[in-house]
Formats: sequence, C-alpha cells, structure tokens
Amino acid sequence: DAGITQSPRYKITETGRQVTLMCHQTWSHSYMFWYRQDLGHGLRLIYYSAAADITDKGEVPDGYVVSRSKTENFPLTLESATRSQTSVYFCATLDRGPNTQYFGPGTRLTVL
Amino acid sequence: AQSVTQPDIHITVSEGASLELRCNYSYGATPYLFWYVQSPGQGLQLLLKYFSGDTLVQGIKGFEAEFKRSQSSFNLRKPSVHWSDAAEYFCAVGARPGGSQGNLIFGKGTKLSVKP
Repeated sequence: DAGITQSPRYKITETGRQVTLMCHQTWSHSYMFWYRQDLGHGLRLIYYSAAADITDKGEVPDGYVVSRSKTENFPLTLESATRSQTSVYFCATLDRGPNTQYFGPGTRLTVL
Repeated sequence: AQSVTQPDIHITVSEGASLELRCNYSYGATPYLFWYVQSPGQGLQLLLKYFSGDTLVQGIKGFEAEFKRSQSSFNLRKPSVHWSDAAEYFCAVGARPGGSQGNLIFGKGTKLSVKP
C-alpha cells in the first residue's frame, strides 16, 4: 500500500530500555519528520531529515537518535527510555510540490 | 518567535449548528497555513491549506477557512456540523519551499464535541 506506515502501533517498555520506532514511506519524499504528541502540547518536532544521511534536530531532540540510510525509512530510537517519553509518536513526510505534510497513523509508546 | 495559538481547548456544539474554530499565528515571513483533523486514535488528516490568492479556502468535509493577514488569523468554519466531525483540530503554520526546512509549527489543538 502507498503512503506512510509506522511500526509498532503500540509499544510498552520499561525505563532504561532501548526502543526503536520505525517509519516507512512509499512516495520517495525527501523530507521526513518525527513528532511527539502530548496532551496540552500539541505536536512537537523531535527530528527531521532533508534526505538520506541528512538529519537535524527539532524542538525536543534530547533522548532521541535518528538515522536515515535509505530515503524510504526514518527510524527513531530511544536509547534509554524514560517515563517522560511516554507519548504518541507521529512520522510525516513532506511533498515539496504542494508543501504539504502527510502523517502516519502514529505509535503509542508507554514507558513504565 | 514563531507560534500558533488556538484559544479554545474544547468546544461543544449541537449537531446542525455552525462552527468556528479560531487560530492566530505569529510568523516572520509570509506563512503557509494548514488545518488538520485528528479523529480518536488516528493520525492527522489535512483538511485544507492556504498558500496565496483567494483568502477564503475550501477544504474537505465541507470545511472552509479564511486568512486575515491584518488579524494574523486563519479561522476554520463549517456551516452545519455533523456528529462525525467530533475530533481534535490542529492549526499549523509552515515555511514556503526553499525557505526553511518545511517543518510545521502546530497549535495545541481544539477538541470538538458534538451534541445530538
């Protein structure tokens, strides 16, 4: 299917564990983004990538690591999960033509 | 600083009534403006966007929004709300292509409840 997929959709982990959230797109859009959504904060940008091997920090990057070896994949890793990273995580891509971002279905992460 | 303000955290309207969701932005350059809708447990879906031209833009599901530069506003409207419109609505502002990195600044959202 075309579009953006995120996996897993739901994840429960423990404090201190490493967790990787996956994002895959079929459009070959250059730009990809990771946001977190928390009650009262809306969506906040964690990291973004302008192309393969090019990534940059967003508003709330601390505690997260990203990589982008292929255009279609943009994994987000929590190297040592903390309870404050309990959130819903959304991946998005940017279609530069209409300058519109399209969002994946999200991953709900709970850190115990 | 760039910011988006949605003054109403939660709005309740009766089915069939009209709706207006407010959005004010602060942005140094000419903005791209967006409204997204998020149904419970779902991702964000684009409702409409404004880039230039006619300041009244039409979107999906019968929504429209009006860009008012003098008021730095981009309010979302619908003449007659349906129960299925119950969701959370996010206003966002972004940069033009070739400007910054294309990331969006989101408001904190307005949750819409619809009474039968």
